[in-house]
Amino acid sequence: DAGVIQSPRHEVTEMGQEVTLRCKPISGHNSLFWYRQTMMRGLELLIYFNNNVPIDDSGMPEDRFSAKMPNASFSTLKIQPSEPRDSAVYFCASSLRTGGSYNEQFFGPGTRLTVL
Amino acid sequence: GENVEQHPSTLSVQEGDSAVIKCTYSDSASNYFPWYKQELGKRPQLIIDIRSNVGEKKDQRIAVTLNKTAKHFSLHITETQPEDSAVYFCAASPGAQKLVFGQGTRLTINP
Repeated sequence: DAGVIQSPRHEVTEMGQEVTLRCKPISGHNSLFWYRQTMMRGLELLIYFNNNVPIDDSGMPEDRFSAKMPNASFSTLKIQPSEPRDSAVYFCASSLRTGGSYNEQFFGPGTRLTVL
Repeated sequence: GENVEQHPSTLSVQEGDSAVIKCTYSDSASNYFPWYKQELGKRPQLIIDIRSNVGEKKDQRIAVTLNKTAKHFSLHITETQPEDSAVYFCAASPGAQKLVFGQGTRLTINP
């Protein structure tokens, strides 16, 4: 298996531009998570989906952020308009949810976003 | 909501010595506690986890202990090696697969 795939790996954009980050989870996994990592705030959960349905978006910083999962093999995280404080590494992770048990979350390689 | 505190933020040990990283959590409903290792520029990867019905778990040189009464859990690495140098994150799950991470510990193994 190729693991969780994210694109692009690096993105440099100017303030005010729209940014779209993409994620392909591991085939067969039914839970998908978007995280943001910064030195100041560490690793924060932004939103997660179960069976393509958003379950908890309480970590989404503001209305400029939105996430979708149109099918089991694809998700996007969009920032519009982007601001310099959005600069961070964004990770996507997936897991296989089985009943009420907890299972390992597999992280993708991340997208390093720089907003100038 | 759940809050996870992790200490120390940096740790330096001699190769072959042991390293201990400690975490506390606030939500008594949390019942799953994974530890992730992140090498520089790489993704976080699970190294060990423990569920609330277990007090200790060991996997070769790494072990995790959990004290639910005190709401703290610890990572122990014995016989440290240079490849153990990385940032380590603890996490707690208050339910529904959500993970709340600690701030991380940068571990450096000195040869």
